[in-house]
Amino acid sequence: KNEVEQSPQNLTAQEGEFITINCSYSVGISALHWLQQHPGGGIVSLFMLSSGKKKHGRLIATINIQEKHSSLHITASHPRDSAVYICAVIETSGSRLTFGEGTQLTVNP
Amino acid sequence: GAVVSQHPSRVICKSGTSVKIECRSLDFQATTMFWYRQFPKQSLMLMATSNEGSKATYEQGVEKDKFLINHASLTLSTLTVTSAHPEDSSFYICSARDNRGGVEQYFGPGTRLTVT
Repeated sequence: KNEVEQSPQNLTAQEGEFITINCSYSVGISALHWLQQHPGGGIVSLFMLSSGKKKHGRLIATINIQEKHSSLHITASHPRDSAVYICAVIETSGSRLTFGEGTQLTVNP
Repeated sequence: GAVVSQHPSRVICKSGTSVKIECRSLDFQATTMFWYRQFPKQSLMLMATSNEGSKATYEQGVEKDKFLINHASLTLSTLTVTSAHPEDSSFYICSARDNRGGVEQYFGPGTRLTVT
């Protein structure tokens, strides 16, 4: 069993839909990253959070430390949101990132 | 702020040759940088942690002599793939942690290596 699990693995949505990607982890963490990877390969850090909720534009990330769960929401989705979204945790035992397998999001016009 | 660059973005080399990939933190200093490898449709795999002024810490299964890491300054780490083989073809990504504090990692755009 992976220490970081994401769901769903693949998600197809219509433009304008509200999207949720989930991340559960089994280790103690100091923080959690949500990353975005476009087909070209470059990775962008969308959020780093250790508690509560963060919002940036149409993106919202929440984390529940007690339940070891985080969600990434995209409101009013757009085809340019199509990418792989990766959850990565920084374990309290060190500085390494442990990655989820990623969620492939496709938003159709 | 917090920009990390990688060079080259793409490289094609012949089997048996060596190729160097650079990772630079452009607007911050980074004592610690990380090198990752990513196979198609898979997540990132940590290869090594690069520490300025000291030896890199390699993950289990990563050959130190094949993947040479040099972190000679607070803004530059290099990964040299020596005696490259086609199975070394992959996407290599670096990240860096800002010395001013925090655990956040800032990622480079990646380097696509193809060994023919």
